[in-house]
Amino acid sequence: NAGVTQTPKFQVLKTGQSMTLQCAQDMNHNSMYWYRQDPGMGLRLIYYSASEGTTDKGEVPNGYNVSRLNKREFSLRLESAAPSQTSVYFCASSPPRGGTGELFFGEGSRLTVL
Amino acid sequence: AQSVSQHNHHVILSEAASLELGCNYSYGGTVNLFWYVQYPGQHLQLLLKYFSGDPLVKGIKGFEAEFIKSKFSFNLRKPSVQWSDTAEYFCAVNWMDSSYKLIFGSGTRLLVRP
Repeated sequence: NAGVTQTPKFQVLKTGQSMTLQCAQDMNHNSMYWYRQDPGMGLRLIYYSASEGTTDKGEVPNGYNVSRLNKREFSLRLESAAPSQTSVYFCASSPPRGGTGELFFGEGSRLTVL
Repeated sequence: AQSVSQHNHHVILSEAASLELGCNYSYGGTVNLFWYVQYPGQHLQLLLKYFSGDPLVKGIKGFEAEFIKSKFSFNLRKPSVQWSDTAEYFCAVNWMDSSYKLIFGSGTRLLVRP
């Protein structure tokens, strides 16, 4: 099983450019998440999707949009990248409600905005 | 507001020393508690979890954690660390009243010297 797959793994953008981070999971999980990881700040939740067809803002949603394309896929879009969005982005998924919050993470996408 | 605090940002130990990493969360209610580990260059992996029952939880690689409800704490311990335990450790809390969100602490970088 691949688990949670993120693409791309590395990306360099110029300020103002747009891009989409793709995430797919093959574990039939209902919930999916996007986090960003910055030194000394741990992981901060950007957006999450409790189930197919729903999305909600997390702690730091400004500057991002998401799409839950289907049960497997959850993409994160930066419409106009800013240097403050330089970070490592992690996608995660969790089982149905009975999974009680345990997350399964992808390998991360390192984004640099110049 | 929901928050998770990890008091030690950097810890340096020699092999065979004992480890205790602190974790506190902001308020009570029913919670699910987690410790995740991130080895250098890798994604986050679950170390151990507490949902209910015995407040002393045992995880992989000899780690354990104790949930003290009255102190809103979930400290991680290991009696004797190894060089291979060098990693970053994250405490995370899922409040059952917002069941789809997992809030992370800022992390503790552990360096174990041979």
